[in-house]
Amino acid sequence: DTGVSQDPRHKITKRGQNVTFRCDPISEHNRLYWYRQTLGQGPEFLTYFQNEAQLEKSRLLSDRFSAERPKGSFSTLEIQRTEQGDSAMYLCASSSAGTSYEQYFGPGTRLTVT
Amino acid sequence: KNQVEQSPQSLIILEGKNCTLQCNYTVSPFSNLRWYKQDTGRGPVSLTIMTFSENTKSNGRYTATLDADTKQSSLHITASQLSDSASYICVVSDFYNQGGKLIFGQGTELSVKP
Repeated sequence: DTGVSQDPRHKITKRGQNVTFRCDPISEHNRLYWYRQTLGQGPEFLTYFQNEAQLEKSRLLSDRFSAERPKGSFSTLEIQRTEQGDSAMYLCASSSAGTSYEQYFGPGTRLTVT
Repeated sequence: KNQVEQSPQSLIILEGKNCTLQCNYTVSPFSNLRWYKQDTGRGPVSLTIMTFSENTKSNGRYTATLDADTKQSSLHITASQLSDSASYICVVSDFYNQGGKLIFGQGTELSVKP
């Protein structure tokens, strides 16, 4: 494994359904980040973990959104009662604690809510 | 409010030509500035990262400059290739979030034509 992987790559769901995305970071990285990106815009920060601890959450992360990283390895992002406004690319990134804090991004999960 | 603004929003150039993309930020206190390249439907890939003490950094045909006094950065692409067609995103982190939340610009969409 040489990079961050995300699953699924694409998800189409009907409004009101729940969806869950998975992110597998680079194996030695202890930090994991979630971002949301809408068309034509840069990514927006949602939340990040150091090991299993969720250290910061954006105001964008409403109570319908929840993220976990139970064993400090992979992470899941769940959206409950999806709305059309949730349609976006959800990006995951990971980094190791170091002087550059370089974040390596996965390919993203494209969510379409119909 | 911490913001990152990029210009132009989009740019079309001919293969082999040079171009320069601009980034202005209001993030304070500043920690570091990064330029990412994002191909359509993919996650961003890091090109350069600069701290406040660095004013230029190169990565092959990409050269980034930083003026921390005026809070401006540029990304210069030399001898453009068709594969340079992508969105280029300027990203800033503040001093208190060096390992966490990144603030993204909206990106410059570059199209290189043959």
